[in-house]
Amino acid sequence: EVQLVESGGGLVQPGGSLRLSCVASGFTFSTYWMTWIRQVPGKGLEWVANIKGDGSEKFSVDSVKGRFTVSRDNAKNSLFLQMNSLRDEDTALYYCARDRITVSWHDAFDIWGQGTMVTVSS
Amino acid sequence: AIQLTQSPSSLSASVGDRVTITCRASQVISSVLAWYQQKPGKPPKLLIYDASSLESGVPSRFSGSGSGTDFTLTINSLQPEDFATYYCQQFNSYPLTFGGGTNVEIK
Repeated sequence: EVQLVESGGGLVQPGGSLRLSCVASGFTFSTYWMTWIRQVPGKGLEWVANIKGDGSEKFSVDSVKGRFTVSRDNAKNSLFLQMNSLRDEDTALYYCARDRITVSWHDAFDIWGQGTMVTVSS
Repeated sequence: AIQLTQSPSSLSASVGDRVTITCRASQVISSVLAWYQQKPGKPPKLLIYDASSLESGVPSRFSGSGSGTDFTLTINSLQPEDFATYYCQQFNSYPLTFGGGTNVEIK
């Protein structure tokens, strides 16, 4: 079964750090772009960052640049999001998701995890 | 960043109704647009990619159309399990933005 399972969320104080993980199974992880998306409870979706299958390319939304770093370990079928200098506005449910295709440009996210909640509060 | 504006933000409909949701992009995005369905407490589910291609396993009552800046998701004969929030997303350029969502409620 194709599956993504996130972990690592929790309560952290403003200015603190957290590392999210996403473990993949059921597909050849190293061939897919992987993405982090977040959602404030009751609100819409926001794309956060993504990384190419071999880790050679990474992109992120401006609001997290310089604070969040996306990485992966293909030997462990794992995706990570290192979050530093956390702010109140980073509070959200964080999903990892897989690109639908392995070649060409992105066109959709076809597999999503259940999400891990990050709460930034003093 | 490309902004996606969905309309309406919410609607009430009955089982059997035909529902149309619109997504307008702030600039031309070709056809690299996807639609997702999200139910409470669940992650989004892919319905449509490339503006009009139906994801495998998705019922044929869902369809997508459009290109350029204007896109539409249509649900023919709304079923009880279709009451949810729907989002569009563009893949034309970074950041990969989402629309604000359309909540489809039971009338």
